[in-house]
Amino acid sequence: GESVGLHLPTLSVQEGDNSIINCAYSNSASDYFIWYKQESGKGPQFIIDIRSNMDKRQGQRVTVLLNKTVKHLSLQIAATQPGDSAVYFCAENTFNDMRFGAGTRLTVKP
Amino acid sequence: DSGVTQTPKHLITATGQRVTLRCSPRSGDLSVYWYQQSLDQGLQFLIQYYNGEERAKGNILERFSAQQFPDLHSELNLSSLELGDSALYFCASSVVGTGLGEQFFGPGTRLTVL
Repeated sequence: GESVGLHLPTLSVQEGDNSIINCAYSNSASDYFIWYKQESGKGPQFIIDIRSNMDKRQGQRVTVLLNKTVKHLSLQIAATQPGDSAVYFCAENTFNDMRFGAGTRLTVKP
Repeated sequence: DSGVTQTPKHLITATGQRVTLRCSPRSGDLSVYWYQQSLDQGLQFLIQYYNGEERAKGNILERFSAQQFPDLHSELNLSSLELGDSALYFCASSVVGTGLGEQFFGPGTRLTVL
């Protein structure tokens, strides 16, 4: 189960480094955003969310930044581990309509 | 394990046929969402039910329909199947009905239309 298109962006990082995954969203009226992680053969897994009235939200080892001016969302993963290897995609919610980005494949090298 | 179950895991059928996918949400969750994930279009939201009633509709084709039963399990019916319907179909559940907040995804049903 992978949210991959033919040209899925990839990010390769060394174990222990920080990772930054970016997402451009489309609708300026979107008021809620989520980052998902999807490992091969599995369903998406919720990582962190943020509402449009916030610029930043932190979780355990993850931080989401929201820039509404340029409609940009980023996910920062601190001290990336091999278990973080997966496809990551963002989702935007507008009036209960959820739209998903294509995703970025993160590969963590030991 | 998210607590959401989906059956069957794999389904192979022919064009023109009709299939039913089943989803059981996590205990206590009232909302069920259906998603389609294909290689060329990524993950797409199809439809949401909350406590038995349709709550939100996404890119669901008229050939597709869903329902949520009194025990809160849900079924997605796909009819007049076409080759392009081949995809992974995910069900997710959540406590709230707004579409906000954490959704828990099932393992998916892989549909292959030949």
